[in-house]
Amino acid sequence: EDKVVQSPLSLVVHEGDTVTLNCSYEVTNFRSLLWYKQEKKAPTFLFMLTSSGIEKKSGRLSSILDKKELFSILNITATQTGDSAVYLCAVGLGEETSGSRLTFGEGTQLTVNP
Amino acid sequence: DVKVTQSSRYLVKRTGEKVFLECVQDMDHENMFWYRQDPGLGLRLIYFSYDVKMKEKGDIPEGYSVSREKKERFSLILESASTNQTSMYLCASSSFWQGNSPLHFGNGTRLTVT
Repeated sequence: EDKVVQSPLSLVVHEGDTVTLNCSYEVTNFRSLLWYKQEKKAPTFLFMLTSSGIEKKSGRLSSILDKKELFSILNITATQTGDSAVYLCAVGLGEETSGSRLTFGEGTQLTVNP
Repeated sequence: DVKVTQSSRYLVKRTGEKVFLECVQDMDHENMFWYRQDPGLGLRLIYFSYDVKMKEKGDIPEGYSVSREKKERFSLILESASTNQTSMYLCASSSFWQGNSPLHFGNGTRLTVT
């Protein structure tokens, strides 16, 4: 059974802190790993990772994938209250007929206090 | 920008009612998905579709069916709603031809079955 596990499940920090969110996976036929941010409504796409060791960056957010150890991390530096959200990790499976079917982890609830 | 629209933001139904959740996307995407999101369980795939009139079961299809009569519209049907189907339902779409294209989500329908 395909499995995606995120840790921690919940995190409370102060503005300006740096946080690291973890995602490990056990799946057959790995294709890609994606990070989403979910505030009150629709999850919004952050990053897609397909190759090990290549960091993706967007402003204060960055992410990297380790396909040997089967995990990814999402870093947020200089956190702001607007970073408060649930961060979702998802793994794309590589079967021919699956298109972009994703298996999601539980999510990490990040709260940034002023 | 991709827009995925779910017809209702909140819905309250009684046990045993037939419930239709509608989803429309405006980007001519081939793939469409229905997920449900529950605390502690994350997002779980109910059904998905790669083409008109085509459907495939996800991880938790029991108690649900779907309809895809037109490319832009994907409907989730609860034949006889039960209280354990109270949940947040998220529709998503993606392009089949763009390989690892990320999912684009709607804002969700929070369904309460009493």
